[in-house]
Formats: sequence, structure tokens, C-alpha cells
Amino acid sequence: AQSVTQLGSHVSVSEGALVLLRCNYSSSVPPYLFWYVQYPNQGLQLLLKYTSAATLVKGINGFEAEFKKSETSFHLTKPSAHMSDAAEYFCAVSDRRQGNLIFGKGTKLSVKP
Amino acid sequence: DTAVSQTPKYLVTQMGNDKSIKCEQNLGHDTMYWYKQDSKKFLKIMFSYNNKELIINETVPNRFSPKSPDKAHLNLHINSLELGDSAVYFCASSQGFLIDEKLFFGSGTQLSVL
Repeated sequence: AQSVTQLGSHVSVSEGALVLLRCNYSSSVPPYLFWYVQYPNQGLQLLLKYTSAATLVKGINGFEAEFKKSETSFHLTKPSAHMSDAAEYFCAVSDRRQGNLIFGKGTKLSVKP
Repeated sequence: DTAVSQTPKYLVTQMGNDKSIKCEQNLGHDTMYWYKQDSKKFLKIMFSYNNKELIINETVPNRFSPKSPDKAHLNLHINSLELGDSAVYFCASSQGFLIDEKLFFGSGTQLSVL
């Protein structure tokens, strides 16, 4: 069975600092991995996805993630945090058996001025 | 135009009542989903439909019944509401049913059962 684990339910950074949100996956087959963002009172939006092409994936709003098979990781980074990045971030893996997404428990990102 | 819209945004009701949440997408997508997000923000799939056919039916009480009158609509009807049903319910859609598909989410319906 596939699963994702997000390390840290809450991450706080200062504006301008590096953002690093951690995600580890478990999958017996090559995974398809996603990062979604949820702003307050809104639905989720896709930030980026990995589908076995380039291991470094660039997404919207300056975010990127690197797929590391040896570490079973797909951490999300952004060089410089903006106040507008404050949101809940979800890592997800495709359930190849059923075709739906399996989400992690989310990491809330706070950005301090 | 909102791509995936769900109504109502807020739903407050008493235990034992029956309620429905409606979802419509104007993206021309073939697949629609219902996800439940609990108070700890954990998101879990409930149902998915592809071309009006039920594809995924997770372990959900049979008090929950999805209905897809056409490809653009997937409604969720809940009978005999219980306190534990309180959550945010998200509708989503995708172009197809491939495992690398991007999901488009509605803004959620916050259900509070008193």
C-alpha cells in the first residue's frame, strides 16, 4: 500500500527565509507524487507533481521539490518565503490500485514578518 | 467562473437530519470526487465517479450516497446525520482517471452536526 508521511505538522519561518517542508513516501511501485496547497477557507490547489520525468520539479509561486528515490523523499522548498505563502501544504501519492490520491496529514506553514 | 463549485459553503444541522451537498464543475472533466477533511485537516477520499459511473467507494457508511446525474455534477446525500459527520467536504474533478491527473478542488462545505 502507498502512503506519505509529512514530518512536522507546523513549520514557522521568517519572511525571506528558506522554506523546507518534508515528505516521505512509501510505495512498492514507482510513485507519482504531488504537493497541494490549501489557503484558508479554500480548496486545494496543485503546486507541482512528479511523474517520473525530471527529479527536480518546479511548480507555481516559486516552489520546487526534488524526488529522491534513495531517501524515499519528496521535500518541498522555496528559497525565500513570502507572507502570502502562509497556508496548509499537503503531500500526496497516487494510489495506483484505485487511481485516487492518498494525502499526508498536512503541514501548516506560518510566515513571520 | 468558478471551475468547481459546491453549495452550500456552510451547513449547520441537527443530528438525525438528512442533508445534501451539491457539486458542479464547468471544466468538461470526466471524473469527480468527494473528499472528507476532518478537524485535524486529514483528507480522505470517499467516492469517485468517472463518466457518471461509481469507480471508488471507500469504507464510508451507507448513510452517505453520491449521485451523479451527469458528468458535470456529483452530489452527496447524507442520511441520519451523526456528530462524527462534522467535517469539511470537498468536491474535486479531474480530466480523466489516470493516476497522474491534476485535481481541481471546490472551496469546501463545512458541515456542523449539533
